[in-house]
Amino acid sequence: EPEVTQTPSHQVTQMGQEVILRCVPISNHLYFYWYRQILGQKVEFLVSFYNNEISEKSEIFDDQFSVERPDGSNFTLKIRSTKLEDSAMYFCASRGTGVSGNTIYFGEGSWLTVV
Amino acid sequence: SQQGEEDPQALSIQEGENATMNCSYKTSINNLQWYRQNSGRGLVHLILIRSNEREKHSGRLRVTLDTSKKSSSLLITASRAADTASYFCATEAYGQNFVFGPGTRLSVLP
Repeated sequence: EPEVTQTPSHQVTQMGQEVILRCVPISNHLYFYWYRQILGQKVEFLVSFYNNEISEKSEIFDDQFSVERPDGSNFTLKIRSTKLEDSAMYFCASRGTGVSGNTIYFGEGSWLTVV
Repeated sequence: SQQGEEDPQALSIQEGENATMNCSYKTSINNLQWYRQNSGRGLVHLILIRSNEREKHSGRLRVTLDTSKKSSSLLITASRAADTASYFCATEAYGQNFVFGPGTRLSVLP
């Protein structure tokens, strides 16, 4: 079964540093998402992306965050000037269109630890 | 907010027993999906149920949806130790993105 892949699986970074989390969505999917889960808490929506632009973003997704689809396969989340409270698991997800388009498939996540 | 809320927050049962988890939401939805998350791992899609459906089955999983009560239940029959995980419902309303509930932590004791 096709899957969403994310790298790195775990990253430790110094506070104030920039981090880029990478995702390869399922091929032929057109909708892409980033979600965040702080340890022990619920999964929170960050941003959705379609047709090479952000379609929706939450209040969490402020100017510190940005997303990009630099080529036909990758979808990245950049976090500038990381803060301690950015420590979380970041999930990438994608979905297709048509009848199969309702299901959103998630990657295994990238653990970000800001120290 | 359309946010789903699961209950119970935590559930502990013996292997072989059935586990029932509930999810309630606030607004009209397009569909509701259940996911499983093993500790520190990704979200695994279990079942999608559309707003015009009332019940779906997948193996040992049974999901019901009652749109009049804005609630859904996930039943895992004949539970196994490997079913130990957190279970989340996620709702999607028309024109809006997926919103997850806080989840139910299920522990299946051997």
